[in-house]
Amino acid sequence: AQSVTQLGSHVSVSEGALVLLRCNYSSSVPPYLFWYVQYPNQGLQLLLKYTSAATLVKGINGFEAEFKKSETSFHLTKPSAHMSDAAEYFCAVSGSNNDMRFGAGTRLTVKP
Amino acid sequence: KAGVTQTPRYLIKTRGQQVTLSCSPISGHRSVSWYQQTPGQGLQFLFEYFSETQRNKGNFPGRFSGRQFSNSRSEMNVSTLELGDSALYLCASAPSRVNTDTQYFGPGTRLTVL
Repeated sequence: AQSVTQLGSHVSVSEGALVLLRCNYSSSVPPYLFWYVQYPNQGLQLLLKYTSAATLVKGINGFEAEFKKSETSFHLTKPSAHMSDAAEYFCAVSGSNNDMRFGAGTRLTVKP
Repeated sequence: KAGVTQTPRYLIKTRGQQVTLSCSPISGHRSVSWYQQTPGQGLQFLFEYFSETQRNKGNFPGRFSGRQFSNSRSEMNVSTLELGDSALYLCASAPSRVNTDTQYFGPGTRLTVL
């Protein structure tokens, strides 16, 4: 069965600094990988997804993620943090059995 | 296009009662999945419905059930509520099966069990 592990339940960065949220996956089949963002009292919004077309995936709001099979990683990055990026971020994996498994989430705080 | 809608948004029940939550997917979407989100367990997959059939089920007791109608709308039912069922229940829809399509999430129903 597939799973994801998000390293760091809380990440704090200064406005304008690099954002790096870490995600490692485990899957016995080529995975589909996703990053979602959740703002308070809202559902999840898709940031980006990897479906084997390209290892570097660009998403919305300036986020991107790189699929590294050798490291079983799918880390999320953004060159310059904005106050509006403060939210909870979830990495997720979906395999051949069509159920999506989410990581525990990483809460991003952006300091002015 | 209207997004995924979930009703009600908030619900308060007492232990032992049952509850039904509703989800209307985006028009044209045929796959509906349900998730439970709690601070302790995070986001957990409940089940997926496609073409009125349950295609996949997470590791939840039989008290959790669901169904999908011919118009793709879905309901989730929880019987004999327990305090631990207090959670945000999220519904997500996709054009077809989950792993090849983007899931779009609704705002959730926050269930409080007293």
